[in-house]
Amino acid sequence: DTAVSQTPKYLVTQMGNDKSIKCEQNLGHDTMYWYKQDSKKFLKIMFSYNNKELIINETVPNRFSPKSPDKAHLNLHINSLELGDSAVYFCASSQDHFSGANVLTFGAGSRLTVL
Amino acid sequence: GQNIDQPTEMTATEGAIVQINCTYQTSGFNGLFWYQQHAGEAPTFLSYNVLDGLEEKGRFSSFLSRSKGYSYLLLKELQMKDSASYLCAVMDSNYQLIWGAGTKLIIKP
Repeated sequence: DTAVSQTPKYLVTQMGNDKSIKCEQNLGHDTMYWYKQDSKKFLKIMFSYNNKELIINETVPNRFSPKSPDKAHLNLHINSLELGDSAVYFCASSQDHFSGANVLTFGAGSRLTVL
Repeated sequence: GQNIDQPTEMTATEGAIVQINCTYQTSGFNGLFWYQQHAGEAPTFLSYNVLDGLEEKGRFSSFLSRSKGYSYLLLKELQMKDSASYLCAVMDSNYQLIWGAGTKLIIKP
């Protein structure tokens, strides 16, 4: 029973296309995140939602738009894909963003390749 | 600015002990985390330190000195399956996680 599941696992697409990645968690957590991990393996926070409210919105192009229909789901839509968007995108969840021992549970990752 | 420093890569021998260091400069401190990430997989939680001292969990231990802005992860009795990247992350005063770039640990037989 997967705790944080994201789909698709692999995504290969052409420049200029629009794509979405979906994420769901069944842990009953209040907070969900999107991270980008590039080829140098550096994890960079993109967005975070706490109980469906956006609480972290880092400096990412506005081609990236998160949507949280409920606290168990956080989807990521990307418009007009560019070569530099190629990366692994990780969804994660945690019990409560505003606590010190805020352990993140990550999804398996979605590897996006833009050609 | 906020900064986390850890070595890029380390090599150790199966059965040995290795210490991975992490130094940080952040706006406030609400705890330090270590995560393990095997190649092609998701990061998984290893340890959390918020008070100074050593936390032991089986073969893995994590140490924190808040006054020095320093932590280490100690791995004992190394096994081949310990080959992975180890990520240090600090939670700042705004409850934002600041991540290091990770240390790739290579275990040799």
